[in-house]
Amino acid sequence: DIQLTQSPSFLSASVGDRVTITCRASQGITSYLAWYQQKPGKVPNLLIYAASTLQSGVPSRFSGSGSGTEFTLTISSLQPEDFATYYCQQLNSYPITFGQGTRLEIK
Amino acid sequence: QVQLQESGPGLVKPSETLSLTCTVSGGSISTYYWNWIRQPPGKGLEWMGHIYYSGSTNYNPSLKSRVTISLDASKNQFSLKLSSVTAADTAVYYCARSDSWYSHFDYWGQGALVAVSS
Repeated sequence: DIQLTQSPSFLSASVGDRVTITCRASQGITSYLAWYQQKPGKVPNLLIYAASTLQSGVPSRFSGSGSGTEFTLTISSLQPEDFATYYCQQLNSYPITFGQGTRLEIK
Repeated sequence: QVQLQESGPGLVKPSETLSLTCTVSGGSISTYYWNWIRQPPGKGLEWMGHIYYSGSTNYNPSLKSRVTISLDASKNQFSLKLSSVTAADTAVYYCARSDSWYSHFDYWGQGALVAVSS
C-alpha cells in the first residue's frame, strides 16, 4: 500500500495567514493526488484534484502543487470558514489511500 | 445535480453482516465508478472498495474477504455488505462517485452512521 503522511497533523493559525500543508507519499504517485476539506459532522469536500487543478466552485485562495512523492496544499489568506480538517488522497494505485488528516484550528 | 444517499440499518450486532445501499439521483449510474469509504468516530478516511457500472470490483485488502459491493443499474443503486462485523467497524459510511478508477471523488453521499453493538 502507498502510505501518505501529512504534516503537520495539527496547525493553529489566524485569519489572513498563509498556510501550507504537506503530503508525502511512500512511493511516486505522479500527479494522482486529491485534497479534501472536512468540517465537523460534514461530508468531505473536494478542493483540488490531479495535484493542482482547482475543483469548480472552490475559492482561488486554495492551490495545490507537487508531483512524485511530495505535494502541498496552500491557503493564501485564511478565512473563518477554512478552519477544518484536510485530507490528501492518492489514486495512483490500489488500494486508494488517504493521509491521516491535518486539523486546522483558529489561533 | 447528482445526489447520492445512503440507507440501511444504523445498528448491527457483532458477527452479523452490515448492509447499506446508495441511491444515485440526478444522473445515470453508467460509465462511473462507485465507491464506499468509511470513517470511524474521530478518525480518518478509509477507502473500502468500488464497483464499475459494468460490475467489476476492487476492494481494499485490509478488509480481506469481508466486503462485497454490488450494483443494480435498473434502480440506480449500488450496495455494500460487510460481514462478521465487530465494534471496530462502527463508523460513518459514505458512498461516492469517481469517473475513473484513478480519479478523485467528486460527489459524496451525506454518510450513514452504523454502530456495531449487541
